[in-house]
Amino acid sequence: DAGVTQSPTHLIKTRGQHVTLRCSPISGHKSVSWYQQVLGQGPQFIFQYYEKEERGRGNFPDRFSARQFPNYSSELNVNALLLGDSALYLCASSPGQVNQPQHFGDGTRLSIL
Amino acid sequence: QQQVKQSPQSLIVQKGGISIINCAYENTAFDYFPWYQQFPGKGPALLIAIRPDVSEKKEGRFTISFNKSAKQFSLHIMDSQPGDSATYFCAPKDGSSTLGRLYFGRGTQLTVWP
Repeated sequence: DAGVTQSPTHLIKTRGQHVTLRCSPISGHKSVSWYQQVLGQGPQFIFQYYEKEERGRGNFPDRFSARQFPNYSSELNVNALLLGDSALYLCASSPGQVNQPQHFGDGTRLSIL
Repeated sequence: QQQVKQSPQSLIVQKGGISIINCAYENTAFDYFPWYQQFPGKGPALLIAIRPDVSEKKEGRFTISFNKSAKQFSLHIMDSQPGDSATYFCAPKDGSSTLGRLYFGRGTQLTVWP
């Protein structure tokens, strides 16, 4: 069975640009979460979606937004990119029931020049 | 504020030895305690997890010990192998919401020498 897939795998942008990252969850999973992992640190929670509704938001500026589609795939959008946005962006999916584990994709490596 | 404190930051163990990684937390709303393993260029992969009504869980060479009163849990890797060399994260889940978010520690870089 396919795991969580993310695209693109790598991306290079310049300051001020915007970016859209995509995630396809494991088949049957209805919840998608986004995390930011800066080099040398643990992932930090950005958003969680379930059945197309936002269920949680981390401490990130409004430049970060996301949405979930009817097929449960998701997009993360970041506007007005800053050098500090350079990170690995991870998507995780789970079935949506209480205490079901989250399964991560391999992420999108975003570099800001 | 850092809700999860993981130690040590790095760990070097000889093949066949025991690796022990610790995690301390403050949030009493945490209700699910997983450990994730991450290799370079890959996303975190769930290794083993425990619920707070259990004090210990063992899966193969991996064991979680959980101390609810001390708000600590640890990962023990028995008979450590070079293939275990990776970064390990504790990532307890906040149970105050239905689905909950994971709070990751800063990670422990484990190196197992052959």
